[in-house]
Amino acid sequence: SQKIEQNSEALNIQEGKTATLTCNYTNYSPAYLQWYRQDPGRGPVFLLLIRENEKEKRKERLKVTFDTTLKQSLFHITASQPADSATYLCALVGGRSYNTDKLIFGTGTRLQVFP
Amino acid sequence: DAGVIQSPRHEVTEMGQEVTLRCKLISGHNSLFWYRQTMMRGLELLIYFNNNVPIDDSGMPEDRFSAKMPNASFSTLKIQPSEPRDSAVYFCASSLRGTTEAFFGQGTRLTVV
Repeated sequence: SQKIEQNSEALNIQEGKTATLTCNYTNYSPAYLQWYRQDPGRGPVFLLLIRENEKEKRKERLKVTFDTTLKQSLFHITASQPADSATYLCALVGGRSYNTDKLIFGTGTRLQVFP
Repeated sequence: DAGVIQSPRHEVTEMGQEVTLRCKLISGHNSLFWYRQTMMRGLELLIYFNNNVPIDDSGMPEDRFSAKMPNASFSTLKIQPSEPRDSAVYFCASSLRGTTEAFFGQGTRLTVV
C-alpha cells in the first residue's frame, strides 16, 4: 500500500542551526512533491513545490531536495528562528502510475526551535 | 480574495444527528479537496473534485459520509448519522489545478458526543 512517512517525534534544535526534516514514500511515483507548514489551530500553508525532474529547490532560507531513486525528500531550514516552530508536512501529487491529481499528506514532523 | 472559507468553525452535535460542513473555494480554482485531521491518523484525504466532478472518493470512510459541489465555488460535506469517532478537524482546500499549491480553509472542529 502507499505510504508517506515523516519522523513522528518532534525535532528540537537551537536557534541559528539548520533544521533537516525527512519525507520517505513507498509504492508511489509522484509527479510533484510539496511541503507545507501548519501552525496550531490553522490549516496547512504551502511553502515549496518540487517536480520529479528537479533535484533541488530553494526559497529564501528553505531548501528542498527530491531523490526519486531513494524515494525521499529532505527539507532544510537554515539559520532557524523560534518563529519557524511549527509542524511541517510533505505531500505527494499525481504520478504516471496513477494519472491523478490526488494530494496526499504525510503525518508531519513538529519542529521546535529554541532561543 | 478572502481565501477558502469554511463554516462553521466549531460544531458540537449529538450522536445520530446530521452534520453539514460548508466550504467556499477561491474564485477561479477548479480543484477541491476535503480532508479530516486527527492526532492518530494525521491529514487524511476524504474526496477530491475537479471541475465540480468527484474524481476520487476512496477516502470517504463510510456511506454515512457524502460530499457535493452544487456549483464551481461551493461544496458541502455531510455526515448522517454522526458518530463520536467522526470527531476531528475537517479541512477543505482548493487549487487552480490539482498539481499546484493548495489553499486551505481554517477548518471545522467537529465534536460528536
